[in-house]
Amino acid sequence: KQEVTQIPAALSVPEGENLVLNCSFTDSAIYNLQWFRQDPGKGLTSLLLIQSSQREQTSGRLNASLDKSSGRSTLYIAASQPGDSATYLCAVTLDSNYQLIWGAGTKLIIKP
Amino acid sequence: SAVISQKPSRDICQRGTSLTIQCQVDSQVTMMFWYRQQPGQSLTLIATANQGSEATYESGFVIDKFPISRPNLTFSTLTVSNMSPEDSSIYLCSAFYEKLFFGSGTQLSVL
Repeated sequence: KQEVTQIPAALSVPEGENLVLNCSFTDSAIYNLQWFRQDPGKGLTSLLLIQSSQREQTSGRLNASLDKSSGRSTLYIAASQPGDSATYLCAVTLDSNYQLIWGAGTKLIIKP
Repeated sequence: SAVISQKPSRDICQRGTSLTIQCQVDSQVTMMFWYRQQPGQSLTLIATANQGSEATYESGFVIDKFPISRPNLTFSTLTVSNMSPEDSSIYLCSAFYEKLFFGSGTQLSVL
């Protein structure tokens, strides 16, 4: 059974720092992996999607990597800003039916 | 990309009543999903709603409690029936359009 774990559960860093959020999964047979951002009272925003054949994806200050063999993905945020404060969720898709297995999220606080 | 409009954004309901949540997508999508997010927890899939077929429910969720409609490729509703305080949660709809997009969520409180 696929399980997704995110560590740490919460993280607080000063503005301007580079940081890494971690996501691990138990079964390497994934279809893709997606990182989301959730703001209080709002829905989820898709940040990056990495197909199983890819190693990384970049969007602006965000870079997500995928290592299927070790069952890990990282989300790198460069030059963090207070607006980056949110809960970050990773989810793996097992097949093309697009049912996701979710991690519990990392709550990120960027202090001005 | 796709934009999903979900309403209501929040509601406070009495025990025993029902609430219908609506999601409108600005693009035609085959797969839509309904999730529940209880306080402090991650998302739990309630059901998958594909147009033209009955919704597929996950373990622990039944059609009598969470009836779903999917009348066309841009719209879906989820009804939370005979509500109890345990149903207090955030309900989210999502749609697959090249990747997953989410509505803004419905914060439901049951008294």
